[in-house]
Amino acid sequence: RKEVEQDPGPFNVPEGATVAFNCTYSNSASQSFFWYRQDCRKEPKLLMSVYSSGNEDGRFTAQLNRASQYISLLIRDSKLSDSATYLCVVNMNPSNTGKLIFGQGTTLQVKP
Amino acid sequence: DAGVTQSPTHLIKTRGQHVTLRCSPISGHKSVSWYQQVLGQGPQFIFQYYEKEERGRGNFPDRFSARQFPNYSSELNVNALLLGDSALYLCASSLSAPGEQFFGPGTRLTVL
Repeated sequence: RKEVEQDPGPFNVPEGATVAFNCTYSNSASQSFFWYRQDCRKEPKLLMSVYSSGNEDGRFTAQLNRASQYISLLIRDSKLSDSATYLCVVNMNPSNTGKLIFGQGTTLQVKP
Repeated sequence: DAGVTQSPTHLIKTRGQHVTLRCSPISGHKSVSWYQQVLGQGPQFIFQYYEKEERGRGNFPDRFSARQFPNYSSELNVNALLLGDSALYLCASSLSAPGEQFFGPGTRLTVL
């Protein structure tokens, strides 16, 4: 079983749609959670950290369910510029290191 | 402020050769991590250094080594290159070992 699992997609949605990505992680001792965005042939960019209470940044909402070991990202009112690969990332932090475990990524294509 | 910088941007080598990749972290960041990303996959953790000491190592062979210098810049060395080492090599910096990580543009290595 992969340590971080995501549906690779692609998700093809029209502009203005709401889309949700899910991610599961295997290690219950995981400490920190993130969503990164990666454009084609570019580096990953931090989109948002994910907190236990859930957090929102404009059109983006991230939620964490520790009991189910599940992370989600919701994008409202999709824009063409949201087209990218979204990486679910977990820091298992067993010994205070920054070893980030990445999922395979979920590809989003927003169409006009 | 300058972000994470990496050099070179692209590199072509042949099997059996050696390569050195370089990374300069964001000013003030003391931790550098290295990741390998092959096409279609999320980045895989190779090493993390904090205050010039190795803090974490991923499942990579001993052909891979790294170090961090007093100015917090870092080098990743790969010996006896294999075709399978062809990938995008990403460097990420963070203030502390478990902190949020910010990625450089990467070095795209092709092994022929």
